Amino acid sequence: SQQGEEDPQALSIQEGENATMNCSYKTSINNLQWYRQNSGRGLVHLILIRSNEREKHSGRLRVTLDTSKKSSSLLITASRAADTASYFCATATFQGAQKLVFGQGTRLTINP
Amino acid sequence: DVKVTQSSRYLVKRTGEKVFLECVQDMDHENMFWYRQDPGLGLRLIYFSYDVKMKEKGDIPEGYSVSREKKERFSLILESASTNQTSMYLCASSFYPGQGSEKLFFGSGTQLSVL
Repeated sequence: SQQGEEDPQALSIQEGENATMNCSYKTSINNLQWYRQNSGRGLVHLILIRSNEREKHSGRLRVTLDTSKKSSSLLITASRAADTASYFCATATFQGAQKLVFGQGTRLTINP
Repeated sequence: DVKVTQSSRYLVKRTGEKVFLECVQDMDHENMFWYRQDPGLGLRLIYFSYDVKMKEKGDIPEGYSVSREKKERFSLILESASTNQTSMYLCASSFYPGQGSEKLFFGSGTQLSVL
């Protein structure tokens, strides 16, 4: 079952611009995580936000969480060509084994 | 740094073959996971394990089995490979909650083609 749904499915911007990706989910969560995947490779964890947090920062990344709307956003500021990748949100709904449910991802392209 | 190693980067098998995908992690993680990734479908959980010899079905376990005889190793088995199992297979591991971050560490993936 798909818990997270990312929007947009694809995003193309110029280097230096900000990129915003959104994620919506359906059930109550313990935490929400964002991952990056470079083409044909494994996923790399970017940031985790817990259900009692509203905003979190890590370098050029800013994540917000609105549990009333069951949505999250990932903002990448001052984008670089190296940010070109697919970005996935994942929700943890089972505390025990941290079973994450992933969305379909947003494909981000940064044009030089 | 945590390392999750998948034994093969690319694998080509024939329909009906028994296929083993191996995954090893070096951080003493309790949890290990197998996902498959298909275009337009994202990542879907096949099986996970939270301890040695323990396993639980994910969302799409049909046609797969798993083995975890040692803490560091989690194997995915395709008993009789079929063409609809052609996919990217991703292994991941994580700490048990309360013992560290709940984030997943992924291997580089195995692109399996079943002909």
